[in-house]
Amino acid sequence: GAGVSQSPSNKVTEKGKDVELRCDPISGHTALYWYRQSLGQGLEFLIYFQGNSAPDKSGLPSDRFSAERTGGSVSTLTIQRTQQEDSAVYLCASSSPGLGLEYGYTFGSGTRLTVV
Amino acid sequence: AQKITQTQPGMFVQEKEAVTLDCTYDTSDPSYGLFWYKQPSSGEMIFLIYQGSYDQQNATEGRYSLNFQKARKSANLVISASQLGDSAMYFCAMEAGGGNKLTFGTGTQLKVEL
Repeated sequence: GAGVSQSPSNKVTEKGKDVELRCDPISGHTALYWYRQSLGQGLEFLIYFQGNSAPDKSGLPSDRFSAERTGGSVSTLTIQRTQQEDSAVYLCASSSPGLGLEYGYTFGSGTRLTVV
Repeated sequence: AQKITQTQPGMFVQEKEAVTLDCTYDTSDPSYGLFWYKQPSSGEMIFLIYQGSYDQQNATEGRYSLNFQKARKSANLVISASQLGDSAMYFCAMEAGGGNKLTFGTGTQLKVEL
């Protein structure tokens, strides 16, 4: 597609429920990233996928968080047993590392998750 | 570990004036990249400018320039001829060690006034 697409744009869920957030990267971008932005804060790295390599999961805050990327394209971030502190905007980005980082990542518009 | 510090939570500038947004960084890796992003109220992250650690000259992109002072570990963003549409949150970020993940600062909220 023309840009990075994320769905849903907004999600309100009850504490303890599981949620799935979807990211559809730019076609041909082999790298995909998830970040979390809490209110008034900068972005916090969560996980990075590059091609068929094992993902870098070093930023996942707990084992309630997991992500997968199917077929090297669409990615799903899953949060199990949501807690109120999980409320944030979850941003996805993709890039084509072969072009060099100076061309920047392209971010999606994010999913605003509210846990009540 | 990498760290980005933005010490200005909020800045005001008059339309058509220039403004400098501060960013300092810390890394032990000799190879790194520095980025600035703009986040309007709509929430999307817009890439503005990039500076590589080995680049000899300061990066420029239109009205944006990056004042890179390697010895001071600073990478300030300069916006010339500010416009009302420049009002947004601005984030400085760094990639180091070839890990491809970005470390972000806490951002500076810029407000351009008439």
